[in-house]
Amino acid sequence: DAKTTQPNSMESNEEEPVHLPCNHSTISGTDYIHWYRQLPSQGPEYVIHGLTSNVNNRMASLAIAEDRKSSTLILHRATLRDAAVYYCISRRQGAQKLVFGQGTRLTINP
Amino acid sequence: SQTIHQWPATLVQPVGSPLSLECTVEGTSNPNLYWYRQAAGRGLQLLFYSVGIGQISSEVPQNLSASRPQDRQFILSSKKLLLSDSGFYLCAWGQGEDTEAFFGQGTRLTVV
Repeated sequence: DAKTTQPNSMESNEEEPVHLPCNHSTISGTDYIHWYRQLPSQGPEYVIHGLTSNVNNRMASLAIAEDRKSSTLILHRATLRDAAVYYCISRRQGAQKLVFGQGTRLTINP
Repeated sequence: SQTIHQWPATLVQPVGSPLSLECTVEGTSNPNLYWYRQAAGRGLQLLFYSVGIGQISSEVPQNLSASRPQDRQFILSSKKLLLSDSGFYLCAWGQGEDTEAFFGQGTRLTVV
């Protein structure tokens, strides 16, 4: 799996959009990009994943750069409940492991 | 629908005692199963994963072991706990690199 790089922490305000960046410059053409988040004292929960095209679901949007070397998780309207550690993971085709990096700790100000 | 059960939620064990944490999955077959540990204030460390019955891959050398006696059962064990084994243990399941993984509620283990 390609190595991913994320900022250690970010801060945003309630009801504003949040853009969480992730760099994966060594990604290969068949690596999927996954995002998970972990709320305090809970296990991680799946947010979204994609391969090449931008993806939307009820939780967030995933914007993938054309060269696929970076991606951005977009929370359209942050709430206090979105405060969590967000993990960006690159998963190679056929890879069975699921390895987490350090993630980005997102703080939401009221 | 699929569910994952992990127990107990909290556990306090003395140093040198054995450990057995169990995780079961319902509503799916032949899942990939994972055990993670998260020390206080730290990231998620993959300990073991399994792609099938009896197939265990170890990621970190330590005094822990894992077993998968049935398709949807994953057990984490230790013969003698160390203080450094304290942490938040999470079980997860998934089906492949293009699908999501699901996590249990975790077991908070304190070794005293």
